[in-house]
Amino acid sequence: DIQMTQSPSSLSASVGDRVTIICRASQNIDSYVNWYQQRPGEAPKLLIYAASSLQNGVPSRFSGSRSGALFTLTISSLQPDDFATYYCQQSYNDARTFGQGTKLEIK
Amino acid sequence: EVQLLESGGGLIQPGGSLTLSCAASGFTFSKSVMSWVRQAPGKGLEWLSTFTSSGSNKYYADSVKGRFTISRDNSKNTLYLQMNSLRADDTAVYYCAKQGFYYDRGYFDYWGQGTLVTVSS
Repeated sequence: DIQMTQSPSSLSASVGDRVTIICRASQNIDSYVNWYQQRPGEAPKLLIYAASSLQNGVPSRFSGSRSGALFTLTISSLQPDDFATYYCQQSYNDARTFGQGTKLEIK
Repeated sequence: EVQLLESGGGLIQPGGSLTLSCAASGFTFSKSVMSWVRQAPGKGLEWLSTFTSSGSNKYYADSVKGRFTISRDNSKNTLYLQMNSLRADDTAVYYCAKQGFYYDRGYFDYWGQGTLVTVSS
């Protein structure tokens, strides 16, 4: 199975900060990575698909990029609504594995 | 508007069986790839199973292979997950999710609200 190693597991930041979350795949998976946001008590929400494509309706402060097997989710200027848990997920093969998650908390 | 509504969760004893349902609306269900994902209390997301739109392929995570069975009824726009030999570590919120595709790059674009399964004696 493809492992998705996400870091950090938690992150404290302030409104207006720029934050970056990283996901490393255990093998080359091209751009087959998606990113999700999950607020407490809610279902996950798709933010980014195919490594860097912004889902319709998602604010442009969210962006994704890829360098080899390293994938990055960046939030350019944190807003109060952004404090949540973020997950990467690979779709390179049919076993759609997720990263462990990054909990973004208010500093 | 796309809607996915799970049902069938509840309290079940270890070793028992349960079937979850996911009623879909707002899109062409018969042409959609559908999946189940779960989340144990305080833990991350775990993909469980996918059923392709053609019905010819089903995929399972190793953790549930041989115990869980995914199925669908396109005439009822409903996805199912039959769960047998349930264990305490199957306790989780179970989500159904629709897959979208960018070329062949799949992603979960719509999720249900989830249904809680608690396995305990």
